[in-house]
Amino acid sequence: GNSVTQMEGPVTLSEEAFLTINCTYTATGYPSLFWYVQYPGEGLQLLLKATKADDKGSNKGFEATYRKETTSFHLEKGSVQVSDSAVYFCARRANNAGNMLTFGGGTRLMVKP
Amino acid sequence: KAGVTQTPRYLIKTRGQQVTLSCSPISGHRSVSWYQQTPGQGLQFLFEYFSETQRNKGNFPGRFSGRQFSNSRSEMNVSTLELGDSALYLCASSLVPGATGNTIYFGEGSWLTVV
Repeated sequence: GNSVTQMEGPVTLSEEAFLTINCTYTATGYPSLFWYVQYPGEGLQLLLKATKADDKGSNKGFEATYRKETTSFHLEKGSVQVSDSAVYFCARRANNAGNMLTFGGGTRLMVKP
Repeated sequence: KAGVTQTPRYLIKTRGQQVTLSCSPISGHRSVSWYQQTPGQGLQFLFEYFSETQRNKGNFPGRFSGRQFSNSRSEMNVSTLELGDSALYLCASSLVPGATGNTIYFGEGSWLTVV
């Protein structure tokens, strides 16, 4: 079936550390891939997206590259800040599936000063 | 421009009651979808509407229903509430469903507690 798998959290880092949150997906065809972020008590905000193989999405210092050969879309940031503390969700949208997103389980990131 | 607006933000209901949640999409957006978020099951797709028609439906019982109005606003209803329906219900909107490059925007959600 179609699914998204993320590394389990929480991930605890010191400020200015390098961040990687792994995400892999299974799907037929070429889904669109997304990273959403959820701050405490809030809804989801789109962080970045990629719609085809080798696309790199980037925003606010975060990056993720659509890797078809490894079916991965890992999220990275070179230097995290305390304000990046949140829950991060990887998601996919299959072709011909309208706006139906399949989400990973979420990864909580905690950044300490 | 206003984002996706959901009302009410918080509500408490008793088992067996029913609840209606409302969603106003971003102006000009015609596709609305709904998700349920719980600690145990994570984020799960409920249904999607476009032009007042349900396009996709997730794996939820018939107690969960929705509709979309001609102005693209949407409501979802849960009847005969169960304790397990306690969740954050998120609405999302986009211009049209499924177009490559289409950005899906989420509201802040409605927190439902069933007691």
